[in-house]
Amino acid sequence: GAVVSQHPSRVICKSGTSVKIECRSLDFQATTMFWYRQFPKQSLMLMATSNEGSKATYEQGVEKDKFLINHASLTLSTLTVTSAHPEDSSFYICSARLGLGPGELFFGEGSRLTVL
Amino acid sequence: QKEVEQNSGPLSVPEGAIASLNCTYSDRGSQSFFWYRQYSGKSPELIMSIYSNGDKEDGRFTAQLNKASQYVSLLIRDSQPSDSATYLCAVERNTPLVFGKGTRLSVIA
Repeated sequence: GAVVSQHPSRVICKSGTSVKIECRSLDFQATTMFWYRQFPKQSLMLMATSNEGSKATYEQGVEKDKFLINHASLTLSTLTVTSAHPEDSSFYICSARLGLGPGELFFGEGSRLTVL
Repeated sequence: QKEVEQNSGPLSVPEGAIASLNCTYSDRGSQSFFWYRQYSGKSPELIMSIYSNGDKEDGRFTAQLNKASQYVSLLIRDSQPSDSATYLCAVERNTPLVFGKGTRLSVIA
């Protein structure tokens, strides 16, 4: 299957700081990438859809000014958690699919964020 | 409202037995259905996809879809301890995947 790489896998930061997470499609071009968040023992919740060359589409309840998404190339999308707080501690996972239509998602390794 | 429902488990089965995981969904227009496996602390990995009614087999895994009943299941034959994980059902219509909360499977050696 397609390979999606995410970095960093773990990050610990102080409250009030910003953290950037990178998501790369390694062997294919991804016009669209998806950012999910998963709290312990909960399901994956879609945060936003990242579109190459245009603004991201955020799900209801997700603050676009807090979770900045940039998709500057066909292989890279970044999620920046600004002014992070302990309640932002979670497992953030990016994903992408081959092609433009519906179909299976390939996930990055995930980034576990801990905000102290 | 789109919903994907799964029994959270844990579902415990002995090694070598068949594990049966079930999922129901509320959006009757859903067209694509997926099963993902997620080990603790890891991201999901795709196990099976199914798009039409009936059964689809891949090795020890069989996905079953019944659109009339809005039901999709995953059977794991000859369960192994390495199959112990959380299995996520995901459903899609024309939007990104919607995931269930997952069923935790424990295969007892």
